Amino acid sequence: DAKTTQPNSMESNEEEPVHLPCNHSTISGTDYIHWYRQLPSQGPEYVIHGLTSNVNNRMASLAIAEDRKSSTLILHRATLRDAAVYYCILRDPFNFGNEKLTFGTGTRLTIIP
Amino acid sequence: DAGVTQSPTHLIKTRGQQVTLRCSPKSGHDTVSWYQQALGQGPQFIFQYYEEEERQRGNFPDRFSGHQFPNYSSELNVNALLLGDSALYLCASSLTTSGGQGLEKLFFGSGTQLSVL
Repeated sequence: DAKTTQPNSMESNEEEPVHLPCNHSTISGTDYIHWYRQLPSQGPEYVIHGLTSNVNNRMASLAIAEDRKSSTLILHRATLRDAAVYYCILRDPFNFGNEKLTFGTGTRLTIIP
Repeated sequence: DAGVTQSPTHLIKTRGQQVTLRCSPKSGHDTVSWYQQALGQGPQFIFQYYEEEERQRGNFPDRFSGHQFPNYSSELNVNALLLGDSALYLCASSLTTSGGQGLEKLFFGSGTQLSVL
C-alpha cells in the first residue's frame, strides 16, 4: 500500500482556518486521496476524497498538489467540535485489497478556544 | 436513519475466554468490515464480509473469525483471548457497487471497548 506521512499533532485557534498536510510521495496514478477523522470516543468518519482536482464539500476542502505527491485538508473556520485525529489515506479502486482502509497514526488536531 | 450500531459498548474478559461482538450496518448497506484500534494507534483492518462471505482479510490470526447474516448484520468472534487483544473494535459498513470498491464511503460505529485481564 502506498504510504502517507502526517504530522503527529497540530494546534489551531478557534474560528481560524486550519491546514492539515499529508505527504504521499509514492502515490500511484490511480490512488485516490481520502480523509477521515475520528472524534473523541467515536469511530472514524468520512471527510472528503479526491483524485487530481481540488474538492470542496460542506465539511472541508481538499487541495491536491499538481504532482500529487502531497495534499492539504483545509478546515475553513475551525470550531471546538473539529478537535479530532485526522487520517489521510490512499485508496486504489482498481487494485485487489482496496476494500480496506489503511490508517496511519494521523494528526491530532487541538482547537484552542 | 440509524447509523452503524455495535454491541456491547464495553466488555471485560479474562485471558483464554472467547468473545462475540455484534454489528448492525447502516440501512441500505450490504458490506461490513471490522477494525481493531489499539490505544494511540490508527485502526487496523481485520476482515470484510460481503454476501455472507469473507472477502478480504488483514494480518490477524485465525483466532479472529466472523460471520455475516442474511440481514447483513455481522459478528466478530475472538477465541483464546490474549492480553494484547485489549482494544477498541470498530465495525464499518458500506455499499458494494457494480463499479467495484475503493471509492465508497465507510460509515463506522462507535466501537466496542474490549478489556482482557
